[in-house]
Amino acid sequence: NAGVTQTPKFQVLKTGQSMTLQCAQDMNHNSMYWYRQDPGMGLRLIYYSASEGTTDKGEVPNGYNVSRLNKREFSLRLESAAPSQTSVYFCASSKSVDRVVYEQYFGPGTRLTVT
Amino acid sequence: DAKTTQPNSMESNEEEPVHLPCNHSTISGTDYIHWYRQLPSQGPEYVIHGLTSNVNNRMASLAIAEDRKSSTLILHRATLRDAAVYYCILPLNSGNTPLVFGKGTRLSVIA
Repeated sequence: NAGVTQTPKFQVLKTGQSMTLQCAQDMNHNSMYWYRQDPGMGLRLIYYSASEGTTDKGEVPNGYNVSRLNKREFSLRLESAAPSQTSVYFCASSKSVDRVVYEQYFGPGTRLTVT
Repeated sequence: DAKTTQPNSMESNEEEPVHLPCNHSTISGTDYIHWYRQLPSQGPEYVIHGLTSNVNNRMASLAIAEDRKSSTLILHRATLRDAAVYYCILPLNSGNTPLVFGKGTRLSVIA
Protein backbone atom coordinates (compact mmCIF):
# COMPACT_ATOMS: atom_id res chain seq x y z
CA ASN A 1 0.00 0.00 0.00
CA ALA A 2 1.98 2.98 -1.28
CA GLY A 3 -0.64 5.68 -0.48
CA VAL A 4 -0.25 8.72 -2.76
CA THR A 5 2.66 8.69 -5.18
CA GLN A 6 3.89 11.55 -7.33
CA THR A 7 6.31 11.67 -10.25
CA PRO A 8 8.72 13.21 -10.85
CA LYS A 9 10.22 14.28 -7.50
CA PHE A 10 12.21 17.11 -9.06
CA GLN A 11 11.97 18.92 -12.40
CA VAL A 12 13.64 21.92 -14.01
CA LEU A 13 11.92 23.53 -16.99
CA LYS A 14 12.71 26.46 -19.22
CA THR A 15 10.08 29.16 -19.67
CA GLY A 16 7.55 28.07 -22.27
CA GLN A 17 8.14 24.34 -21.94
CA SER A 18 5.30 22.02 -21.04
CA MET A 19 5.11 19.08 -18.69
CA THR A 20 2.68 16.83 -16.85
CA LEU A 21 2.91 15.99 -13.16
CA GLN A 22 1.59 12.55 -12.37
CA CYS A 23 -0.29 11.47 -9.23
CA ALA A 24 -1.70 8.08 -8.30
CA GLN A 25 -3.38 6.69 -5.18
CA ASP A 26 -4.08 3.10 -4.21
CA MET A 27 -6.59 3.74 -1.42
CA ASN A 28 -9.72 3.61 -3.61
CA HIS A 29 -10.46 7.26 -2.82
CA ASN A 30 -13.08 9.16 -4.80
CA SER A 31 -11.58 12.63 -4.47
CA MET A 32 -8.18 13.93 -5.54
CA TYR A 33 -6.55 17.36 -5.28
CA TRP A 34 -3.62 19.38 -6.57
CA TYR A 35 -2.01 22.06 -4.39
CA ARG A 36 1.02 24.29 -4.81
CA GLN A 37 3.23 25.63 -2.03
CA ASP A 38 5.52 28.58 -2.61
CA PRO A 39 8.49 29.13 -0.28
CA GLY A 40 7.39 30.15 3.23
CA MET A 41 3.72 30.00 2.30
CA GLY A 42 0.79 27.71 2.95
CA LEU A 43 -0.75 25.43 0.36
CA ARG A 44 -3.05 26.82 -2.32
CA LEU A 45 -5.58 24.64 -4.12
CA ILE A 46 -5.14 24.53 -7.91
CA TYR A 47 -7.77 22.01 -9.04
CA TYR A 48 -9.68 19.16 -7.51
CA SER A 49 -11.72 16.19 -8.65
CA ALA A 50 -14.56 15.26 -6.32
CA SER A 51 -15.15 12.01 -8.18
CA GLU A 52 -14.03 10.21 -11.31
CA GLY A 53 -15.16 12.16 -14.35
CA THR A 54 -15.41 15.56 -12.65
CA THR A 55 -12.89 18.35 -12.12
CA ASP A 56 -13.28 21.80 -10.60
CA LYS A 57 -11.14 24.91 -10.25
CA GLY A 58 -9.62 25.78 -6.92
CA GLU A 59 -8.06 29.03 -5.73
CA VAL A 60 -5.29 29.37 -8.35
CA PRO A 61 -6.19 27.44 -11.56
CA ASN A 62 -4.74 29.81 -14.18
CA GLY A 63 -1.93 28.28 -16.22
CA TYR A 64 -2.85 24.70 -15.37
CA ASN A 65 -5.02 21.90 -16.71
CA VAL A 66 -5.94 18.62 -15.09
CA SER A 67 -7.11 15.18 -16.16
CA ARG A 68 -8.78 12.59 -13.96
CA LEU A 69 -7.62 9.64 -16.01
CA ASN A 70 -9.40 7.04 -13.86
CA LYS A 71 -10.20 6.60 -10.19
CA ARG A 72 -6.53 6.13 -9.28
CA GLU A 73 -4.83 8.83 -11.33
CA PHE A 74 -5.05 12.63 -11.45
CA SER A 75 -2.53 14.54 -13.56
CA LEU A 76 -1.62 18.23 -13.63
CA ARG A 77 -0.38 19.81 -16.85
CA LEU A 78 1.54 23.03 -17.38
CA GLU A 79 1.11 23.94 -21.04
CA SER A 80 3.61 26.82 -21.10
CA ALA A 81 5.63 27.04 -17.92
CA ALA A 82 6.39 30.43 -16.38
CA PRO A 83 8.87 31.35 -13.59
CA SER A 84 5.86 32.20 -11.38
CA GLN A 85 4.99 28.49 -11.42
CA THR A 86 8.19 27.61 -9.58
CA SER A 87 6.83 25.83 -6.51
CA VAL A 88 6.38 22.52 -4.73
CA TYR A 89 3.32 20.68 -5.99
CA PHE A 90 1.40 18.32 -3.72
CA CYS A 91 -1.24 15.84 -4.74
CA ALA A 92 -3.74 14.55 -2.18
CA SER A 93 -6.69 12.18 -2.04
CA SER A 94 -9.58 11.43 0.28
CA LYS A 95 -12.78 9.50 0.57
CA SER A 96 -15.71 11.71 -0.29
CA VAL A 97 -19.32 11.43 0.72
CA ASP A 98 -21.51 14.52 0.88
CA ARG A 99 -21.00 16.35 4.17
CA VAL A 100 -19.07 13.47 5.71
CA VAL A 101 -15.52 14.45 6.48
CA TYR A 102 -12.56 12.20 5.81
CA GLU A 103 -8.89 13.02 6.11
CA GLN A 104 -6.79 13.94 3.12
CA TYR A 105 -3.65 11.97 2.40
CA PHE A 106 -0.80 13.82 0.74
CA GLY A 107 1.97 12.70 -1.57
CA PRO A 108 5.62 13.61 -1.03
CA GLY A 109 5.54 16.52 -3.50
CA THR A 110 7.18 17.51 -6.79
CA ARG A 111 9.70 20.35 -6.63
CA LEU A 112 9.44 22.32 -9.88
CA THR A 113 11.80 25.09 -10.96
CA VAL A 114 11.09 27.18 -14.05
CA THR A 115 14.04 29.22 -15.32
CA ASP B 1 -10.18 36.30 1.76
CA ALA B 2 -8.60 34.28 4.54
CA LYS B 3 -11.11 32.08 6.30
CA THR B 4 -8.91 31.46 9.35
CA THR B 5 -6.45 33.53 11.36
CA GLN B 6 -3.51 31.99 13.20
CA PRO B 7 -0.36 33.41 14.82
CA ASN B 8 2.63 33.18 12.50
CA SER B 9 4.79 31.39 15.03
CA MET B 10 4.83 29.97 18.54
CA GLU B 11 7.45 28.41 20.76
CA SER B 12 7.15 25.73 23.40
CA ASN B 13 9.42 23.87 25.77
CA GLU B 14 9.69 20.15 25.34
CA GLU B 15 7.24 18.05 27.39
CA GLU B 16 5.00 21.05 28.11
CA PRO B 17 1.46 21.46 26.75
CA VAL B 18 0.96 23.66 23.70
CA HIS B 19 -2.22 25.57 22.84
CA LEU B 20 -2.42 26.65 19.20
CA PRO B 21 -5.24 29.18 18.62
CA CYS B 22 -7.30 29.77 15.49
CA ASN B 23 -10.00 32.34 14.72
CA HIS B 24 -12.66 31.57 12.13
CA SER B 25 -15.33 34.19 12.66
CA THR B 26 -17.04 33.61 9.27
CA ILE B 27 -17.53 29.88 9.76
CA SER B 28 -20.84 28.50 8.51
CA GLY B 29 -23.03 26.12 10.48
CA THR B 30 -21.99 23.00 8.60
CA ASP B 31 -18.24 23.67 8.28
CA TYR B 32 -15.99 21.24 10.05
CA ILE B 33 -12.77 22.66 11.51
CA HIS B 34 -9.72 20.72 10.38
CA TRP B 35 -6.14 20.73 11.63
CA TYR B 36 -3.20 19.45 9.64
CA ARG B 37 0.51 19.76 10.24
CA GLN B 38 3.48 19.81 7.92
CA LEU B 39 6.84 18.54 9.06
CA PRO B 40 9.93 19.95 7.31
CA SER B 41 10.25 18.79 3.68
CA GLN B 42 7.10 16.66 3.85
CA GLY B 43 3.51 16.88 2.71
CA PRO B 44 0.85 17.84 5.26
CA GLU B 45 -0.62 15.17 7.52
CA TYR B 46 -3.98 15.02 9.23
CA VAL B 47 -4.14 15.86 12.94
CA ILE B 48 -7.79 16.17 13.96
CA HIS B 49 -11.16 17.64 12.96
CA GLY B 50 -14.41 18.58 14.69
CA LEU B 51 -17.77 20.30 14.28
CA THR B 52 -19.14 21.49 17.62
CA SER B 53 -17.93 19.56 20.61
CA ASN B 54 -14.39 18.97 21.77
CA VAL B 55 -12.54 16.10 20.12
CA ASN B 56 -9.64 13.93 21.25
CA ASN B 57 -7.41 11.49 19.46
CA ARG B 58 -3.98 10.00 20.04
CA MET B 59 -2.22 13.00 18.52
CA ALA B 60 -4.05 15.96 20.02
CA SER B 61 -7.24 17.50 21.38
CA LEU B 62 -9.42 20.09 19.68
CA ALA B 63 -11.33 22.59 21.80
CA ILE B 64 -14.07 24.44 19.90
CA ALA B 65 -15.65 27.61 21.29
CA GLU B 66 -19.37 27.52 21.93
CA ASP B 67 -20.03 30.11 19.19
CA ARG B 68 -17.65 28.17 16.87
CA LYS B 69 -15.79 31.34 15.93
CA SER B 70 -12.53 30.07 17.35
CA SER B 71 -10.82 26.82 18.23
CA THR B 72 -7.63 25.64 19.92
CA LEU B 73 -5.45 22.68 19.06
CA ILE B 74 -3.88 21.21 22.18
CA LEU B 75 -0.74 19.10 22.14
CA HIS B 76 -0.59 17.65 25.62
CA ARG B 77 3.19 17.14 25.81
CA ALA B 78 5.23 18.69 23.05
CA THR B 79 8.16 16.68 21.72
CA LEU B 80 10.91 17.75 19.34
CA ARG B 81 9.12 15.74 16.62
CA ASP B 82 6.10 18.04 16.97
CA ALA B 83 8.04 20.96 15.50
CA ALA B 84 6.06 21.73 12.35
CA VAL B 85 3.70 24.19 10.69
CA TYR B 86 0.16 23.67 12.00
CA TYR B 87 -2.75 24.61 9.74
CA CYS B 88 -6.26 25.39 10.92
CA ILE B 89 -8.50 24.86 7.91
CA LEU B 90 -12.07 25.34 6.78
CA PRO B 91 -13.51 23.81 3.60
CA LEU B 92 -13.77 25.74 0.35
CA ASN B 93 -17.50 25.18 0.05
CA SER B 94 -20.46 23.83 1.94
CA GLY B 95 -19.78 20.22 1.01
CA ASN B 96 -16.91 20.12 3.51
CA THR B 97 -14.40 19.50 0.76
CA PRO B 98 -11.89 20.52 -0.53
CA LEU B 99 -9.76 22.11 2.16
CA VAL B 100 -8.24 25.57 1.88
CA PHE B 101 -4.95 26.02 3.72
CA GLY B 102 -3.79 29.36 5.12
CA LYS B 103 -0.24 30.15 6.21
CA GLY B 104 -0.43 28.24 9.48
CA THR B 105 1.51 28.57 12.72
CA ARG B 106 5.14 27.52 12.82
CA LEU B 107 5.70 25.71 16.12
CA SER B 108 9.23 25.52 17.50
CA VAL B 109 9.95 23.09 20.35
CA ILE B 110 12.89 23.79 22.59
CA ALA B 111 14.72 20.97 24.35
